[in-house]
Amino acid sequence: DTAVSQTPKYLVTQMGNDKSIKCEQNLGHDTMYWYKQDSKKFLKIMFSYNNKELIINETVPNRFSPKSPDKAHLNLHINSLELGDSAVYFCASSLRTSGTQETQYFGPGTRLLVL
Amino acid sequence: GNSVTQMEGPVTLSEEAFLTINCTYTATGYPSLFWYVQYPGEGLQLLLKATKADDKGSNKGFEATYRKETTSFHLEKGSVQVSDSAVYFCALSRRAGNTPLVFGKGTRLSVIA
Repeated sequence: DTAVSQTPKYLVTQMGNDKSIKCEQNLGHDTMYWYKQDSKKFLKIMFSYNNKELIINETVPNRFSPKSPDKAHLNLHINSLELGDSAVYFCASSLRTSGTQETQYFGPGTRLLVL
Repeated sequence: GNSVTQMEGPVTLSEEAFLTINCTYTATGYPSLFWYVQYPGEGLQLLLKATKADDKGSNKGFEATYRKETTSFHLEKGSVQVSDSAVYFCALSRRAGNTPLVFGKGTRLSVIA
């Protein structure tokens, strides 16, 4: 059984389009994340949600809007796509506990290419 | 702020060679430390972790020891295999609750037969 799944795996689109990436976890975790991996493989946090509530929003353009319909899902909608948005986007989840850093489990990634 | 510095790659080794990938960190307080591995075309998998000073994480023959005095968490393996070829990421996270990981830039390892 897949623990953290993302769809689509590949996404090729034109500049200016709007697209969504979906993430689902079946681990019963409370906290979910979106990370961006650029062409040089550098990984950086974008958003973090806990129980459907946004808790971290790094300096990401407001063209990016995460949505969490329930604690098992965290989707990422991107408006007016730009060339620089081309990257691999990883979803992750972890079990929320206080005072302890739980392991984060990553999805397989969505490879976005903006032409 | 928190940051992680890894040795630059790529690293190319022959099978059965000894591997060290250096990782040092800057953090306030006492972070948890992680090594993640990304095989070609796949997502990240946790390789090992350590949550306090002098802890040793180990998995699949890889080891790393949390060294507070040198703020390091170097990854080692005694005898690498071709199947170990991947990108390795050192990461840290604050220990207070679930916080995002701060990653190093990754080190690509290629093992040749």
